[in-house]
Amino acid sequence: EDQVTQSPEALRLQEGESSSLNCSYTVSGLRGLFWYRQDPGKGPEFLFTLYSAGEEKEKERLKATLTKKESFLHITAPKPEDSATYLCAVRYSNSGYALNFGKGTSLLVTP
Amino acid sequence: DTGVSQNPRHKITKRGQNVTFRCDPISEHNRLYWYRQTLGQGPEFLTYFQNEAQLEKSRLLSDRFSAERPKGSFSTLEIQRTEQGDSAMYLCASSNRDRAYEQYFGPGTRLTVT
Repeated sequence: EDQVTQSPEALRLQEGESSSLNCSYTVSGLRGLFWYRQDPGKGPEFLFTLYSAGEEKEKERLKATLTKKESFLHITAPKPEDSATYLCAVRYSNSGYALNFGKGTSLLVTP
Repeated sequence: DTGVSQNPRHKITKRGQNVTFRCDPISEHNRLYWYRQTLGQGPEFLTYFQNEAQLEKSRLLSDRFSAERPKGSFSTLEIQRTEQGDSAMYLCASSNRDRAYEQYFGPGTRLTVT
């Protein structure tokens, strides 16, 4: 069965302490990998789409990369306002338009 | 661009009652999706519309659940004979023709079944 696994489940960083979040996925039939940010009690906010290995996207302090087996969301010099849950989702060729989400990484950035 | 809107934002109902949620997608988006999210989990796909046609349904969508999108604009999701296990956040998302796979989510409707 297709699976999306995110690690770590939770991450606590000091302001300015860079780190990376991981998303691993079942390799066969990948048709796109998506990163979302979700604040408590709100809907997910779209961040990035990646389609092929080697692709990279950047937005402010966030950079998403994709290999053949996993994706990383790199957070450079995070600020407290970056605290949120970061969700990874994958679209497979046999899943139509449905996105398969991981459980997310809960990030807390302390001043 | 006012974003995806959902109403109500919160709904508390007693077990066995029927509930209906509404989603208004971004105006130029022709694709609309419903997901369900429980605490500590990622969203789970329920169903997908392209214009007014319902093209995909998850096996999670039991016969107590029905969704419509008349005229290809807003959508409604109805749950009949609610059960405590239906308590969750119900999320709606939409996408457009050009970037069909980039789904933009609304704020969700939090359902509590007592």
